[in-house]
Amino acid sequence: AQSVTQLDSQVPVFEEAPVELRCNYSSSVSVYLFWYVQYPNQGLQLLLKYLSGSTLVKGINGFEAEFNKSQTSFHLRKPSVHISDTAEYFCAVSGLDNTDKLIFGTGTRLQVFP
Amino acid sequence: GAGVSQSPSNKVTEKGKDVELRCDPISGHTALYWYRQSLGQGLEFLIYFQGNSAPDKSGLPSDRFSAERTGGSVSTLTIQRTQQEDSAVYLCASSSTSNEQFFGPGTRLTVL
Repeated sequence: AQSVTQLDSQVPVFEEAPVELRCNYSSSVSVYLFWYVQYPNQGLQLLLKYLSGSTLVKGINGFEAEFNKSQTSFHLRKPSVHISDTAEYFCAVSGLDNTDKLIFGTGTRLQVFP
Repeated sequence: GAGVSQSPSNKVTEKGKDVELRCDPISGHTALYWYRQSLGQGLEFLIYFQGNSAPDKSGLPSDRFSAERTGGSVSTLTIQRTQQEDSAVYLCASSSTSNEQFFGPGTRLTVL
């Protein structure tokens, strides 16, 4: 079985400051890793994904994440946030079959203040 | 192109009534998923379709929940005899072979 832990339910940060949203996973098999963002009253949008290759993955809107197999982590980072980054962020894992379901963490609410 | 669409966007029903939620996936996407997002449980997988068949129904919470997909396209999630704990946002996603699931805007279900 797979599971995802997002320890921070809320992360407040000032505009233009750097941010890191933490994600740890547990799995007995290899997994794919994803970060999704959900803006208010909208569906989920893929930010980035790790399937294989380089452990540093770059996504949309200036976000990046690093896969660390030894620490079973996939933390999301952005060097300088904007007000518009205020949203809920979900980390997810899936098995290696390209039709496998996603297992989500509980989400982290990023609140960017001016 | 058009994304995943869901209808209705909001549904308010009385306890004990049946409801049907609809999902129109992206054209050509063979895989379709239903998830539920609620305050107490976060984002939970419900059911997965490949074409018209459902090889994974493991997330359906009870036998009051069922889903079907016809023509390899539109899917309907049916909840019979709704309970207040069914109140949630029901999300649909579709994918092709890219390991990326594209999500619809969801249906917010409120059971009074």
